Amino acid sequence: QKEVEQNSGPLSVPEGAIASLNCTYSDRVSQSFFWYRQYSGKSPELIMSIYSNGDKEDGRFTAQLNKASQYVSLLIRDSQPSDSATYLCAASGGYQKVTFGTGTKLQVIP
Amino acid sequence: GAGVSQSPRYKVAKRGQDVALRCDPISGHVSLFWYQQALGQGPEFLTYFQNEAQLDKSGLPSDRFFAERPEGSVSTLKIQRTQQEDSAVYLCASSLEDSTEAFFGQGTRLTVV
Repeated sequence: QKEVEQNSGPLSVPEGAIASLNCTYSDRVSQSFFWYRQYSGKSPELIMSIYSNGDKEDGRFTAQLNKASQYVSLLIRDSQPSDSATYLCAASGGYQKVTFGTGTKLQVIP
Repeated sequence: GAGVSQSPRYKVAKRGQDVALRCDPISGHVSLFWYQQALGQGPEFLTYFQNEAQLDKSGLPSDRFFAERPEGSVSTLKIQRTQQEDSAVYLCASSLEDSTEAFFGQGTRLTVV
């Protein structure tokens, strides 16, 4: 079992809809969680970090963390075609090693 | 520079050749990471430095892989006697001390033929 699990997708949503991306992790000592966006042929770009239970909002993005369920999610409101990319969930334990999931491919249909 | 810089961007190596990949982290970033990303997969951890100290090399797939950061800034990932399975994108990332928010370079795409 991989330490960070994501559905590979593709997840298709119409333009303007809410995209919901989900992630589970297995290591209970994980303390820091990240969402990266990766366009095809490009390197990952950090879009959100979350450290405590609950929601964290930044513009159209909301990250949600539930440590009891070992679950992290990313909501993208008012999805745009430019949001089409692979979204990588990542978790970090007691020190700085960051473990990535395999990513969920999001397609926003105009 | 403003971001993490990696060179070369692309490298084609013949099987058995040695290669060296360079990473120039964001100025002032103490931590430096190397990741390997195969097509359609997430980045896989290779190794981690804090300043010049290599604190974790558990992800290096074999003893053909070697990384160094002698002055705590620029890092080099060396792969000896390259094999076809080494073909991947090699990503470098850096972060501030006491922060796990890592910022990636543009990567080096290695193709072993």
